[in-house]
Amino acid sequence: QIMLTQQAESLWISPGERVSITCRASQSLLYTDGKHYLSWYQQRPGQTTKALIYHASVRTDGVPTRFIGSGSGTEFTLSIEHVQPEDFAIYYCLQTLKSPFTFGSGTKLEIK
Amino acid sequence: EVQLQESGPGLVKPSQSLSLTCSVTGYSITSSYRWNWIRKFPGNKLEWMGYINSAGSTNYNPSLKSRISITRDTSKNQFFLQVNSVTTEDTATYYCARLGVRVMDAWGQGASVTVSS
Repeated sequence: QIMLTQQAESLWISPGERVSITCRASQSLLYTDGKHYLSWYQQRPGQTTKALIYHASVRTDGVPTRFIGSGSGTEFTLSIEHVQPEDFAIYYCLQTLKSPFTFGSGTKLEIK
Repeated sequence: EVQLQESGPGLVKPSQSLSLTCSVTGYSITSSYRWNWIRKFPGNKLEWMGYINSAGSTNYNPSLKSRISITRDTSKNQFFLQVNSVTTEDTATYYCARLGVRVMDAWGQGASVTVSS
């Protein structure tokens, strides 16, 4: 199965700062259609899990522009510019290129 | 707007079966998409368990394949998870979610299940 590694278990930052969360895959997530099957999700207590990014860099409807997905092949990054108070949450990457689908271990954004 | 809601017992005894229901409103589970079960263990690790697609075919995580079953009731627009022979390691929050070609775009709130005698 494809392993996804999110190195940072926690990141401490202040509101207004910029933060990047990385996700490394054990093999390329590029499909023959030219798209990467890597998506990003946000989990906040008391809220349903929210899809932020798909195909590595495309924001889902309604996601603020401060959320930026980038990367290719096996290395992907979720960046959040000017972090807002509501952004302190856990972030996961997910690959849906090959079954079994797998998640990264999650990165918790915490207030410094 | 599609909404998913998990329901089921919060406490299951070891060696018994865990059964959960995902009730879907706002979209027919027979129209399209793959309808998934995911669980989150204490410590925040997420595991994809499997899905049933709109045609009724299933795909399971091999790590669970011998213990898991996902079925549906199209008349009630619900799909179900059964995990057999549970142990304390099956203690988790269980989520149902809708997966399109690109992304899991709708999730339930999650149902906490504890396996304990």
